Amino acid sequence: DTAVSQTPKYLVTQMGNDKSIKCEQNLGHDTMYWYKQDSKKFLKIMFSYNNKELIINETVPNRFSPKSPDKAHLNLHINSLELGDSAVYFCASSQVVPKRGPYNEQFFGPGTRLTVL
Amino acid sequence: GDSVTQMEGPVTLSEEAFLTINCTYTATGYPSLFWYVQYPGEGLQLLLKATKADDKGSNKGFEATYRKETTSFHLEKGSVQVSDSAVYFCALSEPNFGNEKLTFGTGTRLTIIP
Repeated sequence: DTAVSQTPKYLVTQMGNDKSIKCEQNLGHDTMYWYKQDSKKFLKIMFSYNNKELIINETVPNRFSPKSPDKAHLNLHINSLELGDSAVYFCASSQVVPKRGPYNEQFFGPGTRLTVL
Repeated sequence: GDSVTQMEGPVTLSEEAFLTINCTYTATGYPSLFWYVQYPGEGLQLLLKATKADDKGSNKGFEATYRKETTSFHLEKGSVQVSDSAVYFCALSEPNFGNEKLTFGTGTRLTIIP
């Protein structure tokens, strides 16, 4: 069973288009994340949602809008795509259990490679 | 802010060689520490973790010890295999209930040659 799944795996599109990437987790986790991995493999968090509520928004352009219809899904919509948006986007999830203390094991999806031409 | 510094790659070793990938961190609080691995064409997988000082995380022959005095979490393996070829990421997460995030190092690409 796939724990964290993303669709599509590859996405090639023209500059200026609008596209979405979908993420679903079947782990019952309450927190989901989007990360961007650039061409040099550097990973940086973009957003996190806890129980459908936006928690982290790391200075990402307004063209990026995450949407969480329920706590098992976190989709990423990107408007007016630019060349610099080309990257691999990873979705992740974790169960934040405060009483267990400082611990945040995140489970990652397989990634979506976005290429903007 | 928090940061993680890993040794620059790429690292190329022969099979059965000893591996060390250095990782040091800067954090305002008392973070949990992780090593993630990314095999070619795949997503990230948690390799090992440690949540308090002197904890040793271990998995698949890899080990790393949480050293608070030197703010380090170096990854080691006694005898590497070709199948260990991958990109390795050191990461930390500060305790901030409900608002945790992983801060990653830049990654170290490891290639093992037969």
